[in-house]
Amino acid sequence: GPKVLQIPSHQIIDMGQMVTLNCDPVSNHLYFYWYKQILGQQMEFLVNFYNGKVMEKSKLFKDQFSVERPDGSYFTLKIQPTALEDSAVYFCASSLRDRVYEQYFGPGTRLTVL
Amino acid sequence: SQWGEENLQALSIQEGEDVTMNCSYKTYTTVVHWYRQDSGRGPALIILIRSNEREKRSGRLRATLDTSSQSSSLSITAAQCEDTAVYFCATSGGNYKPTFGKGTSLVVHP
Repeated sequence: GPKVLQIPSHQIIDMGQMVTLNCDPVSNHLYFYWYKQILGQQMEFLVNFYNGKVMEKSKLFKDQFSVERPDGSYFTLKIQPTALEDSAVYFCASSLRDRVYEQYFGPGTRLTVL
Repeated sequence: SQWGEENLQALSIQEGEDVTMNCSYKTYTTVVHWYRQDSGRGPALIILIRSNEREKRSGRLRATLDTSSQSSSLSITAAQCEDTAVYFCATSGGNYKPTFGKGTSLVVHP
């Protein structure tokens, strides 16, 4: 089936540094999402993105977070600066514009902030 | 069942048995999604049931939705070892911001 890719699979950085998580969505999908999952806890919605704009975001999507998809390349989540509580697995997902409930997820990027 | 402050639940069954997992929710919901997540991988949507549906089937999977009690269930008939995964529900209330349950870890033994 359709696949969403995420790069890298693991990232370890020092607190205060910037990190960019990359997502390669399904090719004909137009809606993109980021989710955060802390070990042992439920997944939580961060943000969705369509037509170059953030459509909705949760309170977890702090001011230090930003998303973009320049020129149809990777859909990225940037955190600057990072904090210890940002350590989690971040999942990217994508969907068709008229099927936002049918999202395809990537395998996740495990971010460790030291 | 999943939700709120409950820990991740664990179920262990034998191959061939039937199993049902439950999910309750608190807010207005138009869609309940059921996902399975295999170790080290992202979630995969397995059944989606809308608020105007009471039951949905897909192969050996059956989902139900009771909007009056704000609960949904996922049943697997004749479970197989490859059904071993974490299953969780998510709800959406007309926007694109799903709320996820904590999940049920299912282990099917041969």
